[in-house]
Amino acid sequence: DAKTTQPPSMDCAEGRAANLPCNHSTISGNEYVYWYRQIHSQGPQYIIHGLKNNETNEMASLIITEDRKSSTLILPHATLRDTAVYYCIVRVATGDNNDMRFGAGTRLTVKP
Amino acid sequence: EAQVTQNPRYLITVTGKKLTVTCSQNMNHEYMSWYRQDPGLGLRQIYYSMNVEVTDKGDVPEGYKVSRKEKRNFPLILESPSPNQTSLYFCASSLWSEFNEQFFGPGTRLTVL
Repeated sequence: DAKTTQPPSMDCAEGRAANLPCNHSTISGNEYVYWYRQIHSQGPQYIIHGLKNNETNEMASLIITEDRKSSTLILPHATLRDTAVYYCIVRVATGDNNDMRFGAGTRLTVKP
Repeated sequence: EAQVTQNPRYLITVTGKKLTVTCSQNMNHEYMSWYRQDPGLGLRQIYYSMNVEVTDKGDVPEGYKVSRKEKRNFPLILESPSPNQTSLYFCASSLWSEFNEQFFGPGTRLTVL
């Protein structure tokens, strides 16, 4: 059951901000939004997560709409090394299983 | 350096020959998990473990076994590999807490002929 919808691919110019959207219209009140990325065939890498407030760390910013039905991951100054598949995941913070349900994600290509 | 390691990174084997893929983490994480990644299917969880001697099935456990005798290690065992188990495998670990950032290993690419 797909909980998130992401565009299959996006391009971004090097040095510009990359804005990756994610729709999660059926999100529950206790579900967090997580973002991971996977560069080529390496292991997925955690980027950021949030509940309802906007979040920022050294890698990215996460903007969550007030109704929490969508969010945007922002890479402020994309570099060629940010080319990867980006996954938006919604799940409760705790439970019997820490399973992360990875969908198809968005393939971001950063171009020179 | 905090990390999850997997061995081997690449393996080509034949049908029916038992194999083990090792996974080890040095972060004292309670939770560990195995995923497989196949084109068009994303990552699917095989087995997970919430702590030592506690394991449970994920979405696609058939044909796999795991064990958790020590906190740091979580080997994946294929008793009789078949070609449909050709895949890219990832081990992951995390603390058992509200903030459950998962750390993934580098992956093991398995080919079963």
